[in-house]
Amino acid sequence: KAGVTQTPRYLIKTRGQQVTLSCSPISGHRSVSWYQQTPGQGLQFLFEYFSETQRNKGNFPGRFSGRQFSNSRSEMNVSTLELGDSALYLCASSSGTYSYNEQFFGPGTRLTVL
Amino acid sequence: AQTVTQSQPEMSVQEAETVTLSCTYDTSESDYYLFWYKQPPSRQMILVIRQEAYKQQNATENRFSVNFQKAAKSFSLKISDSQLGDAAMYFCAYAYSGAGSYQLTFGKGTKLSVIP
Repeated sequence: KAGVTQTPRYLIKTRGQQVTLSCSPISGHRSVSWYQQTPGQGLQFLFEYFSETQRNKGNFPGRFSGRQFSNSRSEMNVSTLELGDSALYLCASSSGTYSYNEQFFGPGTRLTVL
Repeated sequence: AQTVTQSQPEMSVQEAETVTLSCTYDTSESDYYLFWYKQPPSRQMILVIRQEAYKQQNATENRFSVNFQKAAKSFSLKISDSQLGDAAMYFCAYAYSGAGSYQLTFGKGTKLSVIP
């Protein structure tokens, strides 16, 4: 089985721009979660999607949004970029059933905001 | 809110020796999962070991084992016979097992160096 893929792997943007990141989960997985990783704040949960519905959301401003498509692929969008948005953005996929199943992480997208 | 604390930002171990990484957590829930994840430099995060809170027996995976003390809310990882490939950031994480939520709460991580 192919693993979780994220595109692009690296991205450079300037303040005020917006960006869209993509995540393709493992085939058959219906849950996709997004995390932001920074040296200062560590790993923080952004949101989780299951069957095209946002099931849980972390404590991030409304500039951070996401969606999930019928094929379980997910995108996250950050509008009006700030310098502090520079981070590694990780997505993780899971089968998504009620009882907890292992989350498999992608390689991440490294976003640099100048 | 749940919190996870890793008090050792960095640790080192001689190859073939044993090292223990510490983790404490805070939660008001009784059913939850605890995890140790490994993130090698510039590589993907992978699950090392997982512990269900309702299980009294400590989880083991080959050279990796945990010491789960539920009352003390402590969850340490022991790596035996350390290998060069064990060098990585290690994250302790918590997930509530209810409501179909897959939110992981992570500690700040421990950077493990393995000395040849």
